[in-house]
Amino acid sequence: DAKTTQPPSMDCAEGRAANLPCNHSTISGNEYVYWYRQIHSQGPQYIIHGLKNNETNEMASLIITEDRKSSTLILPHATLRDTAVYYCIVRVITNAGKSTFGDGTTLTVKP
Amino acid sequence: GAVVSQHPSRVICKSGTSVKIECRSLDFQATTMFWYRQFPKQSLMLMATSNEGSKATYEQGVEKDKFLINHASLTLSTLTVTSAHPEDSSFYICSARNAAAGQGAGDVLTFGAGSRLTVL
Repeated sequence: DAKTTQPPSMDCAEGRAANLPCNHSTISGNEYVYWYRQIHSQGPQYIIHGLKNNETNEMASLIITEDRKSSTLILPHATLRDTAVYYCIVRVITNAGKSTFGDGTTLTVKP
Repeated sequence: GAVVSQHPSRVICKSGTSVKIECRSLDFQATTMFWYRQFPKQSLMLMATSNEGSKATYEQGVEKDKFLINHASLTLSTLTVTSAHPEDSSFYICSARNAAAGQGAGDVLTFGAGSRLTVL
């Protein structure tokens, strides 16, 4: 799996968009970008994933740069319940799901 | 959506005893499940990959005789912490991959809520 780099922490005002960056400069052509989050004392929750095109679902949007060396997870209207640790994971889809977690970004949404 | 149930959510045991944690996929079959351990203020550390009907694959540094994994059916994997000691106190989390969904669904993982083990 390609190594990822994320800022250790970020703050965001409630109701504003939260933009969480992830650097994966060594990503290979067949590796996908996955985002999970972990709310305190719970198991991680899948958010979104993508290969090279931008993706959007009911939870978030994923913007992947054209060279695929970095990506941004966007929570369009952050709420207090979005306070969590967000993990960016890069891996091949044929790895049977095996995922290695880095340190992630602690997002704190403030009122 | 896919749901993974983990039991117990909390367990306290005496040093030297063994503790079993169950991980069940409730509405899908999981040929592969993963077990993670998480210490306070740290990230998840992959311990082992549990494969239905075969032996688990352990990550480097994880003692297979200490952490026994059994994946006897397509919906159940168990982790047994044998002869637990205070240093084994941690948050144990399982995850499962939907065998039917496969690559077409993005090969995402569904995680259990975790089991907090405290060894006295």
